[in-house]
Amino acid sequence: GAVVSQHPSRVICKSGTSVKIECRSLDFQATTMFWYRQFPKQSLMLMATSNEGSKATYEQGVEKDKFLINHASLTLSTLTVTSAHPEDSSFYICSARVSGKVAYEQYFGPGTRLTVT
Amino acid sequence: GENVEQHPSTLSVQEGDSAVIKCTYSDSASNYFPWYKQELGKRPQLIIDIRSNVGEKKDQRIAVTLNKTAKHFSLHITETQPEDSAVYFCAASIIQAGTALIFGKGTTLSVSS
Repeated sequence: GAVVSQHPSRVICKSGTSVKIECRSLDFQATTMFWYRQFPKQSLMLMATSNEGSKATYEQGVEKDKFLINHASLTLSTLTVTSAHPEDSSFYICSARVSGKVAYEQYFGPGTRLTVT
Repeated sequence: GENVEQHPSTLSVQEGDSAVIKCTYSDSASNYFPWYKQELGKRPQLIIDIRSNVGEKKDQRIAVTLNKTAKHFSLHITETQPEDSAVYFCAASIIQAGTALIFGKGTTLSVSS
């Protein structure tokens, strides 16, 4: 149980284009999902907290107009990188907590490798 | 906000030796402390966690200790094996507030046979 998927697993796009990454909880409902970014040989840095039916909460230094987050259902959150640039190339990982109870474990998706050329 | 410091950044041990990784956290309200193992290009995998009402937890060769007063927690791996080689991350969060996990910078563990 508690499986999180991400799509796509890898994406290559040209500078200036937008890319959408999907994060799905497959066997549970997730009121809250989190988006992390991981550069090579670095840690997971929290970008934003995504709440179903409301606006995401972004961490300091993360441009909300560049990284659009939508959490339209209890099983799906999307991250859209708008006008991507080479410095946005990174590993993007989502995670989710199970709704409806005091839950402390976060279940991670497999990540999306974004390369901007 | 929460800040998690992790040491050392790299650790090399011989097979069979023990390895210890230490973390400190800044927010005294944090009460959940998991440890993750991450292999290159893959998602972090939870290997052990501890809540603040417990001082120590053990699972076979892996143990975690927590000192709430000092705000630090440690991962102990005994009888290390080459397959333990990976990057290990500590993290912290506040259960009741539903906050996201904040991660330390990671430790690259290399176990040589």
